[in-house]
Amino acid sequence: DTEVTQTPKHLVMGMTNKKSLKCEQHMGHRAMYWYKQKAKKPPELMFVYSYEKLSINESVPSRFSPECPNSSLLNLHLHALQPEDSALYLCASSQDENLRGSPLHFGNGTRLTVT
Amino acid sequence: GQNIDQPTEMTATEGAIVQINCTYQTSGFNGLFWYQQHAGEAPTFLSYNVLDGLEEKGRFSSFLSRSKGYSYLLLKELQMKDSASYLCALNDYKLSFGAGTTVTVRA
Repeated sequence: DTEVTQTPKHLVMGMTNKKSLKCEQHMGHRAMYWYKQKAKKPPELMFVYSYEKLSINESVPSRFSPECPNSSLLNLHLHALQPEDSALYLCASSQDENLRGSPLHFGNGTRLTVT
Repeated sequence: GQNIDQPTEMTATEGAIVQINCTYQTSGFNGLFWYQQHAGEAPTFLSYNVLDGLEEKGRFSSFLSRSKGYSYLLLKELQMKDSASYLCALNDYKLSFGAGTTVTVRA
């Protein structure tokens, strides 16, 4: 069982839709992450939040909008996506951004299909 | 950049030992992680090396040599459930993953 919970597990959306991915952790971790993973590829970092503030944005297109309402929650708002955005979106958390206290703990991901 | 290299695929027999190498080029980093990822699932943490040397955790061991730019993950007494992708990742204030090595365990 993963201690990082992501919803939904699967999402199919059209290019004009607006949807949100949700992530929750109750381990007291102060850093939270969004990764994108295409088939047979490693996870690619998208965003890092540290103490609820956006710390890293890896030049992600504005159609992806992250939000950290509190230290336990992380959202990824999606709007006007393209078919090539179809991927597994992984949320992760760690004790701190430096990863010295603990490793990344990943959620099971949301499998996103853009039609 | 880190230029992290891993073999793409490896095949081994149940009960055998397999060593997955990871080489990198970087000027400095905090440590090196190994993760296991089964198809369609999230990566799970296996080991973290900060200092040079061997870290042993049951059937899995990980080794790091900073001077040689090299790490390996050793899987002993292979089981069918060890069939998965194994990712090495450098902790350079953000995690950079290698492309992963797909290990297939055959009976």
